[in-house]
Amino acid sequence: NAGVTQTPKFQVLKTGQSMTLQCAQDMNHNSMYWYRQDPGMGLRLIYYSASEGTTDKGEVPNGYNVSRLNKREFSLRLESAAPSQTSVYFCASSDAFGGLREQYFGPGTRLTVT
Amino acid sequence: AQSVTQLGSHVSVSEGALVLLRCNYSSSVPPYLFWYVQYPNQGLQLLLKYTTGATLVKGINGFEAEFKKSETSFHLTKPSAHMSDAAEYFCAVVRGSSNTGKLIFGQGTTLQVKP
Repeated sequence: NAGVTQTPKFQVLKTGQSMTLQCAQDMNHNSMYWYRQDPGMGLRLIYYSASEGTTDKGEVPNGYNVSRLNKREFSLRLESAAPSQTSVYFCASSDAFGGLREQYFGPGTRLTVT
Repeated sequence: AQSVTQLGSHVSVSEGALVLLRCNYSSSVPPYLFWYVQYPNQGLQLLLKYTTGATLVKGINGFEAEFKKSETSFHLTKPSAHMSDAAEYFCAVVRGSSNTGKLIFGQGTTLQVKP
């Protein structure tokens, strides 16, 4: 039981390049989330998927797109990377959607945009 | 809108000393409050949460937090720090309802434990 896995662990991009961050969970959870973590700002929600087939914007969605590929997988895409998107990205999942549900986090992806 | 503020971005204690990490919240409705911990190079892990009922909440690894409505606080404590407690700690509040709300995190507090 691996929990929540993320690939890659590290990535360096040049401004304007695109990439997709992958996330998968093996806990049969219905809801999945993408956060970014920046120093002094805590975690901020980018997008979430309350259930398979649905996605919604969080606090900071600009510059990102997501795909809920199936129940297990939830990817985050940067179409044209900018230095402001340098951050650590965390994927999380919960058994159901709602503020009281415990979220389980992956180990993160460190992204640097030069 | 609901928000949280963590007082002190870095806290340093000696091994065996009391750990106190401060969190104040702002909410116009009864809040749902959480503490998460992030060990180096790992994702976040739930320590404890307050929803309703008893205001003193016990979590994993000997941590506890007390919800004080009059002070709008939810401070995290542990009587005796261990080296393994060194990590970053995040306080969070649910913005919105319990069914559809989302977590809003504080800025985080890094706990250093000195031998």
